[in-house]
Amino acid sequence: AQSVTQLGSHVSVSEGALVLLRCNYSSSVPPYLFWYVQYPNQGLQLLLKYTSAATLVKGINGFEAEFKKSETSFHLTKPSAHMSDAAEYFCAVSRNSGGYQKVTFGTGTKLQVIP
Amino acid sequence: GAVVSQHPSRVICKSGTSVKIECRSLDFQATTMFWYRQFPKKSLMLMATSNEGSKATYEQGVEKDKFLINHASLTLSTLTVTSAHPEDSSFYICSARRDGPEQYFGPGTRLTVT
Repeated sequence: AQSVTQLGSHVSVSEGALVLLRCNYSSSVPPYLFWYVQYPNQGLQLLLKYTSAATLVKGINGFEAEFKKSETSFHLTKPSAHMSDAAEYFCAVSRNSGGYQKVTFGTGTKLQVIP
Repeated sequence: GAVVSQHPSRVICKSGTSVKIECRSLDFQATTMFWYRQFPKKSLMLMATSNEGSKATYEQGVEKDKFLINHASLTLSTLTVTSAHPEDSSFYICSARRDGPEQYFGPGTRLTVT
């Protein structure tokens, strides 16, 4: 079984401030972990992924996430928020199930950037 | 690379009719395609997984006779909502997997049943 918990359904930051979106996972096997971003009425865009290589993963648009096995966390950060970062962010965990990768998504965190 | 398209982006249909949504991987061959449903302010709910040339695997609680999935080729999967009802109104998103664990998502289709 696997699950993802995203703490905080809404996060507000000022433009230029640090962005921190929290994600904790549970998985019975070493997981693949992902962060996706969704803009209104659009599909999901992959920000970054962890696939058991480096624990600090850098993604697009200046985002990065650190895999911490001891804390079962995969928090998403960005040093300085831009207005264009306002969107919904989903953490996801993937495992092999019946020969294919089954992805479980968190409930999402809506990021608001205040000018 | 790894672009997935969906058509149509929006569709309005009358209750009782059927509507087909197409999902295409434009620049790669997808080993597996997935169909999700997203309710307002909710996360994505996996409906089914399909591999080219084989029957789709539906998640528990998803009616396979209502949501028909056809994976005709390595670049095309279709979702047909049969005898649509207003409660089927939702945002439907497909994704495709290439050779790694990540999925590449289409832009979604907003279905409104009147």
